[in-house]
Amino acid sequence: QKEVEQDPGPLSVPEGAIVSLNCTYSNSAFQYFMWYRQYSRKGPELLMYTYSSGNKEDGRFTAQVDKSSKYISLFIRDSQPSDSATYLCAMSANYGGATNKLIFGTGTLLAVQP
Amino acid sequence: DSGVTQTPKHLITATGQRVTLRCSPRSGDLSVYWYQQSLDQGLQFLIHYYNGEERAKGNILERFSAQQFPDLHSELNLSSLELGDSALYFCASSVGGGQAIGNTIYFGEGSWLTVV
Repeated sequence: QKEVEQDPGPLSVPEGAIVSLNCTYSNSAFQYFMWYRQYSRKGPELLMYTYSSGNKEDGRFTAQVDKSSKYISLFIRDSQPSDSATYLCAMSANYGGATNKLIFGTGTLLAVQP
Repeated sequence: DSGVTQTPKHLITATGQRVTLRCSPRSGDLSVYWYQQSLDQGLQFLIHYYNGEERAKGNILERFSAQQFPDLHSELNLSSLELGDSALYFCASSVGGGQAIGNTIYFGEGSWLTVV
């Protein structure tokens, strides 16, 4: 079983829709949770960063972490065609300052139709 | 542009060969990470160096090795290449070595390796 599970999609929505992307994980040591966006043939770029449980909002993006359920979500409001990309969840534990290695989900391919 | 530079962008080589991928981190970043991205495995952590010191290893094959030089650039060496090594190899960098708010990891554009 993988440490991080993510529905690969693809997910196709009309412009303006609310998008919900999710990941589950099995390692209870994970404390830091991130969402990266990856456009085709490009490197991943950080969208959202959350520490421990709770919500974080940044413009049209909201990240939620539920550590009790080992479940994280990314919501995109008023989705735009430019949001079409692969969304990767990533997680990290506290390694005592030794490393910042990230464990990624497999990514969800999102297409926003104009 | 993340500021992380990777070369070459594309590489085609034969099975059994050896290749070297090069990475220059963002200015001021001391950490370099290598990741492998394939269709079936997703983005997999390979290795992390901080200021020349190896900090963590993932499921990196024994045929693969890496190092970080005094000028902080890094190289990933892949030897005895197999068809299954075909993938996108990403280098990433961050300022610090540990997990902390603000220690964002920035990814390069990747090196596409095709083994034929």
